[in-house]
Amino acid sequence: QVHLQQSGPGLVKPSQTLSLTCGISGDSVSSNSTAWNWIRQSPSRGLEWLGRTYYRSKWYNDYAVSVKSRVTINPETSKNQFSLQLNSVTPEDTAVYYCARDPLGGNWFDPWGQGTLVTVSS
Amino acid sequence: QSALTQPASVSGSPGQSITISCTGTSSDVGGYNNVSWYQQHPGKAPKLMISGVSNRPSGVSNRFSGSKSGNTASLTISGLQAEDEADYYCSSYTNNTSVIFGGGTKLTVL
Repeated sequence: QVHLQQSGPGLVKPSQTLSLTCGISGDSVSSNSTAWNWIRQSPSRGLEWLGRTYYRSKWYNDYAVSVKSRVTINPETSKNQFSLQLNSVTPEDTAVYYCARDPLGGNWFDPWGQGTLVTVSS
Repeated sequence: QSALTQPASVSGSPGQSITISCTGTSSDVGGYNNVSWYQQHPGKAPKLMISGVSNRPSGVSNRFSGSKSGNTASLTISGLQAEDEADYYCSSYTNNTSVIFGGGTKLTVL
C-alpha cells in the first residue's frame, strides 16, 4: 500500500520561497509508470493542480501555467521523495498543499498526502 | 483555463440516488477519457472515487458510478448513505498537458 508523508514549514514570509517535501513508501519516485504531483486547495481558488515530475527513461516535469514561472518540482531519488518549491510567494499562495500519486499516468490521483496548511504572512 | 463547472450543492434522502454533473469543454472533459472524481470530508485529503470516467478503484463502493457524454461528465451515487455526505470534485486532463478541477459540489444527505 502506498503512503505519502508531507513535511515542511507552515508559515512563509511574503517574497520568500515555499518548500515542501513528500516522502514515499510503497512505491518508487523513479517508477516508469507513475507521476508525482503537487496540488493546492484554498477557499478562493479551490483545488489547483501545480505540477508533476515523472521518470520515463529520463526525468520530465509539467507545470500549471498559473505558477510556471515560480514553481519547481524535483525528485530526490536517494531519499525516495519529491519536493515542491514555490518562489516569490504572496498571501494569495496561502493554501493547503497536497502531494499526490498518479499511478499510471492517467491523470488521476491516488493516494494523496495528509496536506500541509501553508500561510504566507509576515 | 477556467475550472470545470459543478453545481454548488445537491441533496438527497437516504436510499435515494443523486447525480453530480461536471461540465467542461472539448479541450478537457470532451477531448479525453481522463475524468476522475474525488470525495472530500471536512479536514481530510480528497479520496479517489472514480478514474478514467467510469473506473471504480478497489475498495470503493459499487454505489458510485461515473459516465460522460460530450463535454459533461457525471457522478451518480445510488442508495445514499449518511457517510456519503461530503464535498465532491471532478477533474480532467487538458490539452495543455495540465489537470483542471471542478469547483466542488457539497452533498447533503437529508
